[in-house]
Amino acid sequence: DTEVTQTPKHLVMGMTNKKSLKCEQHMGHRAMYWYKQKAKKPPELMFVYSYEKLSINESVPSRFSPECPNSSLLNLHLHALQPEDSALYLCASSQDAPQTGATTGANVLTFGAGSRLTVL
Amino acid sequence: ELKVEQNPLFLSMQEGKNYTIYCNYSTTSDRLYWYRQDPGKSLESLFVLLSNGAVKQEGRLMASLDTKARLSTLHITAAVHDLSATYFCAVVAGGTSYGKLTFGQGTILTVHP
Repeated sequence: DTEVTQTPKHLVMGMTNKKSLKCEQHMGHRAMYWYKQKAKKPPELMFVYSYEKLSINESVPSRFSPECPNSSLLNLHLHALQPEDSALYLCASSQDAPQTGATTGANVLTFGAGSRLTVL
Repeated sequence: ELKVEQNPLFLSMQEGKNYTIYCNYSTTSDRLYWYRQDPGKSLESLFVLLSNGAVKQEGRLMASLDTKARLSTLHITAAVHDLSATYFCAVVAGGTSYGKLTFGQGTILTVHP
């Protein structure tokens, strides 16, 4: 299995709702990521989990709450979002967190198909 | 702060022509990735370049890396319509154990007859 699976594919929510995005991989990857992508823009890193521990939080507002229940699963809990949070949310995984100078190989990120979120 | 700049941002090509997309980055890094994204879809890994002078080729695409110049190029040979997509380069910022991947702005490529 060489895929990253994201659910749901589409999500519409109101500003008072609580919802979650889910991500799963069975490639034995030890690092998992959440990226946010607005239309016609590059992906922007939100969070990195390495070995199930949060290693990077890119100053993301607390209305986004990541969770890594185990090495295969990554969730993004959403609460009290704003319309400007509407975007494509991409999950990715890699063998390990990419770093310069490492000799462990290419460590390519594999991306899921994304969850398109609309906040009304 | 690491900055990654691509040019051109928009590229309209005729089928059969050649062109090059450039990716410049601002700080030392020895790991550069190229991704392709079709409209409304996820990112597909094309190449990873790990060392100065690295060159990778797949079909009509060839990528190279010059770490001294902090420059990578993605060369398109004899373009076909199927290559129409957005192409991103991405670089790992160094200096920490868990570096983050920073993307360029993307180059929107349209190949027309």
